[in-house]
Amino acid sequence: DAKTTQPTSMDCAEGRAANLPCNHSTISGNEYVYWYRQIHSQGPQYIIHGLKNNETNEMASLIITEDRKSSTLILPHATLRDTAVYYCIVNYGTSYGKLTFGQGTILTVHP
Amino acid sequence: GAVVSQHPSRVICKSGTSVKIECRSLDFQATTMFWYRQFPKQSLMLMATSNEGSKATYEQGVEKDKFLINHASLTLSTLTVTSAHPEDSSFYICSARDFGAGRNEQFFGPGTRLTVL
Repeated sequence: DAKTTQPTSMDCAEGRAANLPCNHSTISGNEYVYWYRQIHSQGPQYIIHGLKNNETNEMASLIITEDRKSSTLILPHATLRDTAVYYCIVNYGTSYGKLTFGQGTILTVHP
Repeated sequence: GAVVSQHPSRVICKSGTSVKIECRSLDFQATTMFWYRQFPKQSLMLMATSNEGSKATYEQGVEKDKFLINHASLTLSTLTVTSAHPEDSSFYICSARDFGAGRNEQFFGPGTRLTVL
């Protein structure tokens, strides 16, 4: 069973920041938070992951609360190509880590 | 990021035939690859974990004799759907974990859409 809770869908205007929340209240101390997205009829794409500290890369920023029970993925300037299903996944990040996908959040970016 | 390819991207076959899907890690070695299945409007479901040089580990409810997995090298895993039936029609996606330089990301292939007539 997926150990995360995400809103079913969200809308965002093109050019604005998209903030996607994720609850993972049962996360354990050595589990990472991973974010992937899936554009229609394609394989999932890795976005970012983190353990405790906030992370930023060329695609997005990941903000993890101090108690680690929730996180927010931020796409700073959403474009139409960011329309996709976004999955928040907790995983040990070890050599054997399996990814369990929940239903994710359908993000629709509008012109 | 690392690149994972799948072949074919799309296949249509008759009921009762077998179909082989290849998954390759193009620029890194993967001792472990994963196979997922995705039905329309549903999320990805893990089918099995493919381990190089050893038997695959199947998730509960996945028939190992129907979905044959071979991971003969560090860059190639294959999934064979034997005696395919219309209910096997789905989007099959593989992934591989790149252990190089301490990375923990898992990279996915583009998927193979199987249609069984």
